[in-house]
Amino acid sequence: DTEVTQTPKHLVMGMTNKKSLKCEQHMGHRAMYWYKQKAKKPPELMFVYSYEKLSINESVPSRFSPECPNSSLLNLHLHALQPEDSALYLCASSQELLALSTDTQYFGPGTRLTVL
Amino acid sequence: KQEVTQIPAALSVPEGENLVLNCSFTDSAIYNLQWFRQDPGKGLTSLLLIQSSQREQTSGRLNASLDKSSGRSTLYIAASQPGDSATYLCATSGTYKYIFGTGTRLKVLA
Repeated sequence: DTEVTQTPKHLVMGMTNKKSLKCEQHMGHRAMYWYKQKAKKPPELMFVYSYEKLSINESVPSRFSPECPNSSLLNLHLHALQPEDSALYLCASSQELLALSTDTQYFGPGTRLTVL
Repeated sequence: KQEVTQIPAALSVPEGENLVLNCSFTDSAIYNLQWFRQDPGKGLTSLLLIQSSQREQTSGRLNASLDKSSGRSTLYIAASQPGDSATYLCATSGTYKYIFGTGTRLKVLA
């Protein structure tokens, strides 16, 4: 099984709402990632978890709060978002943090987020 | 800081044509370079991964090359089909993360 799943597929929320995105993998990977992708732009890294600990935070605003409750699950908690946060949020996983020439990330299908 | 650029930004070709997509990067200290395909509103599908010590990789109608010294990679698609229509992204693997290129939006006309 080389699948990364993400729920929900679509999410519409107001600026005062609190919501969460969920990502799951059962490949035994120990590194998981959140990316944000605006329309017609490449994905931009937000957070990286390794062995359930936050390794990289790419200076993301605090209204985005990641959580890794176990090795298979990664959440992204959203609160007080702005309309410009509307984007496709992609989750990915890899065996370990990328550090070998054979390492690759497996991507989920994404959550399309719209902030009104 | 790694910068990855793809040319052209968009491409429209008739079915059956062979085509080349280009990817340039500024820092040659990479672990590998990967080509992805993305359909509209969807996630990324890995097409080919070229390790830093390799020169090329092939999968079916796809061939990707890597020249680290010049900071370039190309993706060659043979006998293009309408089903190849998508955005193609290259990404360099550096310390712990990918840096993605700007993408090429490909449309293959039937």
